[in-house]
Amino acid sequence: QKEVEQDPGPLSVPEGAIVSLNCTYSNSAFQYFMWYRQYSRKGPELLMYTYSSGNKEDGRFTAQVDKSSKYISLFIRDSQPSDSATYLCAMKEDSSYKLIFGSGTRLLVRP
Amino acid sequence: DAGVTQSPTHLIKTRGQQVTLRCSPISGHKSVSWYQQVLGQGPQFIFQYYEKEERGRGNFPDRFSARQFPNYSSELNVNALLLGDSALYLCASSSISGYEAFFGQGTRLTVV
Repeated sequence: QKEVEQDPGPLSVPEGAIVSLNCTYSNSAFQYFMWYRQYSRKGPELLMYTYSSGNKEDGRFTAQVDKSSKYISLFIRDSQPSDSATYLCAMKEDSSYKLIFGSGTRLLVRP
Repeated sequence: DAGVTQSPTHLIKTRGQQVTLRCSPISGHKSVSWYQQVLGQGPQFIFQYYEKEERGRGNFPDRFSARQFPNYSSELNVNALLLGDSALYLCASSSISGYEAFFGQGTRLTVV
């Protein structure tokens, strides 16, 4: 079993829809949670990060962490075609130096 | 401000050859990490360097090595290349060890 599980998609939604992206994990020691956006053949771009549980909002993006369920989510409101990309979740233990990534969910926002 | 820069952007090598990839972190960042991303997968951790010291190593063979220079730039070396080493190699920099990592555009290595 992988430490971090993420549905590969693709997830196809119409422009303006609310998108929900999710990851589950098995390591209860994870304390830092991040979401990256990766366009084709580019490096990952950091979108959101949270420490421990709770919600964090930044513009159209909201990140949620539920440590009791070992489940994290990224919501995108008013989705745009430019949001079409692969979304990677990543996690880290407090004392660790490495990020553990999910395999990514490919999102397609149709005009 | 310049982000993380990596060179070269693309590289084609033959099996058995050696390759060196380079990374310059964001100004002020002292930590550099290297990741390998195979098509369709998330990045896999290879190394982290902080203040020129190796802080961690992932599950990669000894053919992979790295170093960090006094200006905090870094090189990743891979010897005796295999076809399976074909991947996007990503460098990430951070101001605190591993937290809030910012990635470069990557070096796409193809081994033929």
